[in-house]
Amino acid sequence: AQSVTQLGSHVSVSEGALVLLRCNYSSSVPPYLFWYVQYPNQGLQLLLKYTSAATLVKGINGFEAEFKKSETSFHLTKPSAHMSDAAEYFCAVSRSGSARQLTFGSGTQLTVLP
Amino acid sequence: EAQVTQNPRYLITVTGKKLTVTCSQNMNHEYMSWYRQDPGLGLRQIYYSMNVEVTDKGDVPEGYKVSRKEKRNFPLILESPSPNQTSLYFCASSFATGWEQYFGPGTRLTVT
Repeated sequence: AQSVTQLGSHVSVSEGALVLLRCNYSSSVPPYLFWYVQYPNQGLQLLLKYTSAATLVKGINGFEAEFKKSETSFHLTKPSAHMSDAAEYFCAVSRSGSARQLTFGSGTQLTVLP
Repeated sequence: EAQVTQNPRYLITVTGKKLTVTCSQNMNHEYMSWYRQDPGLGLRQIYYSMNVEVTDKGDVPEGYKVSRKEKRNFPLILESPSPNQTSLYFCASSFATGWEQYFGPGTRLTVT
């Protein structure tokens, strides 16, 4: 069964610093991978997705993620944090089968310090 | 505007009092799903529907019911709510051929 591990339930960075949010997955077949962002009192919004094309995926708001099969990782990065990036971030992996099901990680709360 | 709407956004109820949380999407999506979000656990799927009249259990279906009589609507029913169903609930939808799910704003449910 697929699983997702997000290392660090809380991450703090200074404004302008690099953002690195870690995601590792386990899957018996090459999966599709996703990063979602949740702003306070809102639903989840798709940041970016990997669907077996380019391994470096660019998303919205300057975020990108790299799929590394050998490390079973899909870490999310942004070169320079902005105050508006403060939110909770979820990594998700597709499940095998045709039911379009996702398995979500437990989330990482990103705090951006002035 | 393309969106998923949920009602109510906030609900406080008592144990055993039946309730329904509505979900509606205007994007003609075939796939709809309900999740619950609890601290430290991420999102867990309750039920999903691949199309009208086609529903199936997710990971945590106990205590919940769903129906899909129309393509745009996917209500979540708690026939006898209990305190362990206190949670933040999200409805999501997508095209059957795609993986990008669109989420509603959430419904915060408290069962006392």
